[in-house]
Amino acid sequence: NAGVTQTPKFQVLKTGQSMTLQCAQDMNHEYMSWYRQDPGMGLRLIHYSVGAGITDQGEVPNGYNVSRSTTEDFPLRLLSAAPSQTSVYFCASSYGQPSYNEQFFGPGTRLTVL
Amino acid sequence: QQQVKQSPQSLIVQKGGISIINCAYENTAFDYFPWYQQFPGKGPALLIAIRPDVSEKKEGRFTISFNKSAKQFSLHIMDSQPGDSATYFCAAIRRGGSNYKLTFGKGTLLTVNP
Repeated sequence: NAGVTQTPKFQVLKTGQSMTLQCAQDMNHEYMSWYRQDPGMGLRLIHYSVGAGITDQGEVPNGYNVSRSTTEDFPLRLLSAAPSQTSVYFCASSYGQPSYNEQFFGPGTRLTVL
Repeated sequence: QQQVKQSPQSLIVQKGGISIINCAYENTAFDYFPWYQQFPGKGPALLIAIRPDVSEKKEGRFTISFNKSAKQFSLHIMDSQPGDSATYFCAAIRRGGSNYKLTFGKGTLLTVNP
């Protein structure tokens, strides 16, 4: 199993550009989520999905869109990047609710918005 | 409102010493408390977790102590090793229902000197 994979590893955008951060898992996990990690801020939940076709907002959803068309993939879209979105983004997945099941994190995408 | 407060922000310990990281929570509905370990350039990984009906849980050199009345829990790393140098995050979540949101502390950067 590859586990949770994320692409790209690094990305530099200009303000206003759009892009999609890719996340895939091969563990047949129902629950997937996106976090952003900023210095001194810990991990903050952006969006999550409890299964294909079902998504919901987390703590900091503004400026981000998600969709879940398959169990394996959970892309995160930035429609119009802003410098405030400079961060390290982590995708995570678990078999079920993270309160009962271990979350597995991907290696992260480091995004810089100029 | 920060629901999980973690301290210290950074910690330097000599090899063989004890590392102690503390967390305090506000929401009494939280009933599951995991700790995550993150090495530079990697995603977080579950280290150890505890439920509030247990006052202590030990796995190898890692121990969680839990004080329900004080709403505090802590991670103790005995015989700290340079390989333990990482960022540690405490987290909390309320089990049951349709709750999917894990709340993280801001993290502690642990450095173990040889």
